Amino acid sequence: NAGVTQTPKFQVLKTGQSMTLQCAQDMNHNSMYWYRQDPGMGLRLIYYSASEGTTDKGEVPNGYNVSRLNKREFSLRLESAAPSQTSVYFCASSLANYGYTFGSGTRLTVV
Amino acid sequence: TQLLEQSPQFLSIQEGENLTVYCNSSSVFSSLQWYRQEPGEGPVLLVTVVTGGEVKKLKRLTFQFGDARKDSSLHITAAQTGDTGLYLCAGAGMDSSYKLIFGSGTRLLVRP
Repeated sequence: NAGVTQTPKFQVLKTGQSMTLQCAQDMNHNSMYWYRQDPGMGLRLIYYSASEGTTDKGEVPNGYNVSRLNKREFSLRLESAAPSQTSVYFCASSLANYGYTFGSGTRLTVV
Repeated sequence: TQLLEQSPQFLSIQEGENLTVYCNSSSVFSSLQWYRQEPGEGPVLLVTVVTGGEVKKLKRLTFQFGDARKDSSLHITAAQTGDTGLYLCAGAGMDSSYKLIFGSGTRLLVRP
């Protein structure tokens, strides 16, 4: 049972570099989400996709783009990384309102 | 903007003690969920409560949703060292999306 798989687990970027965080789920969930987690601030929603073919901004979308490639995959792209984007990024998926399944996270450091 | 406030932020207790964690908001939620997160891992769903006044039990954990669906509590009876972790509450808004607003979490340490 893979659930939600995120890659990579760790990444160090220089300011201005770009990268894509990958996320795939094998539970046939309709909705997928990207959150970032910073100390003392809980989880904040970056973007979400309610269903295949749709994406919407969350609370903190600036500096990010997303692609819902198909029902399984939802990627997050940083076009020009900034130190303020140093964080732990979590992808999650859900079927209606039955709770989220999270991946194990990507720890990103921007220097 | 919907906000969820959790209290306390940190809790350090002895094994065998009881504790309660609170999650409060001025907004109404269609449902509220509790997650537990361990270091280096993503949050794991513990429970979803949907109906105002609902009480759910999961072994030694008791979850309650407020009558007005604006607040919730998590009570742990006879805490064990295995209960150590970060507890997060999360509320689903009244719109048709399933996106969740998360509280900032309660970090629990249960000492042997």
